[in-house]
This record gives sequence, structure tokens and C-alpha cells, in this order.
Amino acid sequence: EDQVTQSPEALRLQEGESSSLNCSYTVSGLRGLFWYRQDPGKGPEFLFTLYSAGEEKEKERLKATLTKKESFLHITAPKPEDSATYLCAVQETGNTPLVFGKGTRLSVIA
Amino acid sequence: DGGITQSPKYLFRKEGQNVTLSCEQNLNHDAMYWYRQDPGQGLRLIYYSQIVNDFQKGDIAEGYSVSREKKESFPLTVTSAQKNPTAFYLCASSIIGAVTEAFFGQGTRLTVV
Repeated sequence: EDQVTQSPEALRLQEGESSSLNCSYTVSGLRGLFWYRQDPGKGPEFLFTLYSAGEEKEKERLKATLTKKESFLHITAPKPEDSATYLCAVQETGNTPLVFGKGTRLSVIA
Repeated sequence: DGGITQSPKYLFRKEGQNVTLSCEQNLNHDAMYWYRQDPGQGLRLIYYSQIVNDFQKGDIAEGYSVSREKKESFPLTVTSAQKNPTAFYLCASSIIGAVTEAFFGQGTRLTVV
């Protein structure tokens, strides 16, 4: 069973059409949940860390939220340059490596 | 500039050959990681190291080997025992002892020819 599940696998939006990406997790002792952006052929770029339920973080058109079972990445009025794959990862208790979901591939059409 | 450098960017391997991917960091991070990424898949952990001369297997270590002789370097060897090596390989590093993000290199795309 996957510890981190992201949905949808792919999302196509018109420019300005707001939406949300979902990341659900099953780890029992979550230390942190991470969101990354990855452009084709590049390494992931860090966006946010969330530590506890109820926490929210914002950066430009992106807002990440966290509950006890899932996280959402809200994209408000997206632009074509927001097109990328968005990856979610979790870290369990202890100095354990990040465990990644399969990502959501976002396309924003002008 | 501080960061992680992976080389080469593209690598071609013949059947039966071993190849080594380089990863160097100047962030003074203790932990380093190797992940593999296939189309439609997330990042899967191959090996990681939290201290020099010590490393741990990840979920898909078969057919791979690593070394950690220096804090700054964590090379990955893809051996001939790895039956399906064509993939995008990502190296990352982080501090340990705190909940913090991992920083990634730009990746190496390995293709078997």
C-alpha cells in the first residue's frame, strides 16, 4: 500500500481557473509534509513544509494546507508558467528519508 | 553558489556495463540520497547515507551500489545486475536531526543502448 497518494494524476486548467491538488498519506507519525515543483528534465524544487494539522503556507498563487490525513495545494488564478509536476512527500518520525507520491501533472492553458 | 551537482546530465550504457553517476554537494549536509524516477512514477529511494562510510538500502537497491568516502560526495554505480536501468536519477541532500526539506540536483538521465 502506498504511503502517499496524490490525485488527480493529471490536471488541465484554463488560465485563471483555480483548483486544488490532493495528497493523502497513511504514515502514523508524520514529522513533516513537503510540496515540490518539478519541471520536465529538472530536479524537484522545494515549495513548502507543513508540520501540523491546521497549518497553512502561501507563496504567490500557491497555498498549501494540512489536515491529519491529507494536504491540499490550492492554485489560485493559475498562469501557464505554473505548468509542472507537483510532488508531495512525507517524513515519518526519526531521521527517515522523504517518501514521495507519484505527483500531479498540471497543465495551464492560455 | 551552494548546491548539488550531478554529472553527467545524460549517460548511455551498453548492456552488461557498469556506470557511475556522480553527486557532489557543498551545502555541508550530513545526509545524501539517491532516488530513481520513471515516467508516471514518483521518486523511489535507492540508497541513502547519513554519515561518512555508512549507507542504508532503500526500497529498490538491487542492482545498485554506493560509497560515501567524503561528506561531499555520494556516487551511485548502476551495475549490470540492474535489469531495467533506463530512468532519471536524482541525488539529494539534507541536514539531519530536524524536519527539513531535501535539496535536489538536476538529475542524470541514463539510457541503455
